[in-house]
Amino acid sequence: AQSVAQPEDQVNVAEGNPLTVKCTYSVSGNPYLFWYVQYPNRGLQFLLKYITGDNLVKGSYGFEAEFNKSQTSFHLKKPSALVSDSALYFCAVRLTGTYKYIFGTGTRLKVLA
Amino acid sequence: DADVTQTPRNRITKTGKRIMLECSQTKGHDRMYWYRQDPGLGLRLIYYSFDVKDINKGEISDGYSVSRQAQAKFSLSLESAIPNQTALYFCATSDSQGINVADTQYFGPGTRLTVL
Repeated sequence: AQSVAQPEDQVNVAEGNPLTVKCTYSVSGNPYLFWYVQYPNRGLQFLLKYITGDNLVKGSYGFEAEFNKSQTSFHLKKPSALVSDSALYFCAVRLTGTYKYIFGTGTRLKVLA
Repeated sequence: DADVTQTPRNRITKTGKRIMLECSQTKGHDRMYWYRQDPGLGLRLIYYSFDVKDINKGEISDGYSVSRQAQAKFSLSLESAIPNQTALYFCATSDSQGINVADTQYFGPGTRLTVL
């Protein structure tokens, strides 16, 4: 079955430290990869996406993600975390040749002051 | 995203009642989607529509129906609500750029539905 895994339900990091939120996928073909963020009482907001090309993708609010084809991973990163980054983060893939998206279960990021 | 609105934001209803959730968008997008979010399960696609005359079932469409009244409006109905339909429901839109283009989805603020 095609799936997206976010192995950590929650990630805690101190403000100013680098953060990583992990995502791996198991799908056929070469999917498009996305990261979305959800703040309390809000809908999901687009952060970044990987289509092709450079494995390091830069997105909104200083976030970036690294695509690794051999490990089928697309980890979200930020060099220096802010308290305001605390939110729920979703990884998603869009399957090649379809309009179907598969979302991960989400990782709650908590940045401690 | 203020360009995608959902009404109501919260709803409590009883088993067996018919419920309609509404979504409107001012982004001018052709594609609209309905998802439900459950803790620990992420988002799952209920229905999607590429234009007024094109409606498709997602992975969990049983117990739901939809109506695309106009390009800007996409409603989700629960014909006879049951407790396991208690969830957070999101509407989303995206621009139609072809099947081989990674279109970004824009989400509404969500509707929290509780079925007693």
